[in-house]
Amino acid sequence: EPEVTQTPSHQVTQMGQEVILRCVPISNHLYFYWYRQILGQKVEFLVSFYNNEISEKSEIFDDQFSVERPDGSNFTLKIRSTKLEDSAMYFCASSEGTGYSPLHFGNGTRLTVT
Amino acid sequence: DQQVKQNSPSLSVQEGRISILNCDYTNSMFDYFLWYKKYPAEGPTFLISISSIKDKNEDGRFTVFLNKSAKHLSLHIVPSQPGDSAVYFCAASETDSWGKLQFGAGTQVVVTP
Repeated sequence: EPEVTQTPSHQVTQMGQEVILRCVPISNHLYFYWYRQILGQKVEFLVSFYNNEISEKSEIFDDQFSVERPDGSNFTLKIRSTKLEDSAMYFCASSEGTGYSPLHFGNGTRLTVT
Repeated sequence: DQQVKQNSPSLSVQEGRISILNCDYTNSMFDYFLWYKKYPAEGPTFLISISSIKDKNEDGRFTVFLNKSAKHLSLHIVPSQPGDSAVYFCAASETDSWGKLQFGAGTQVVVTP
């Protein structure tokens, strides 16, 4: 069964550094998402992306965050200057379309900011 | 933000019996509901969904029931199997924000032999 793949599985970085989290969505999916889960908290929406632009973003997704689809297969999340509170599990997801189309998630990247 | 609530943090059930997981929501604009299962060190895996025009959806051992007037949904797993031991998340989205899922806190299910 097709799946969403994320790399790396674990990323450790120092505060203030830039990180890029990578995702390969399911090939025929058109909508892409990033979610995160801080330890002990709920899974929360960050951003949705369609047709090479952001469809919607949460209050969390400030100017430090950006997303890109640099080629036909990858989808990336960049955090420009990481903070301690950015430490979390970051999940990429994709869906075929909107309207009753379930999201399929990758296994996540654990980001640790020291 | 408590738009989606799963009030039972854990559930223990015997193998072969029914598991019933509950979820309540407060946002009347939600019209698509999903259940996900999550194992440690993995991402959420989609199980089953239901739109607000239905009150029941079934897929194999999994059935989701939606009670819109009570703003309540439930997931039934029959029969429960040891491999069902995982955290189960309820999630919901609004028509105008497809893909922006609001998740519950999850229920840890343990299926015992």
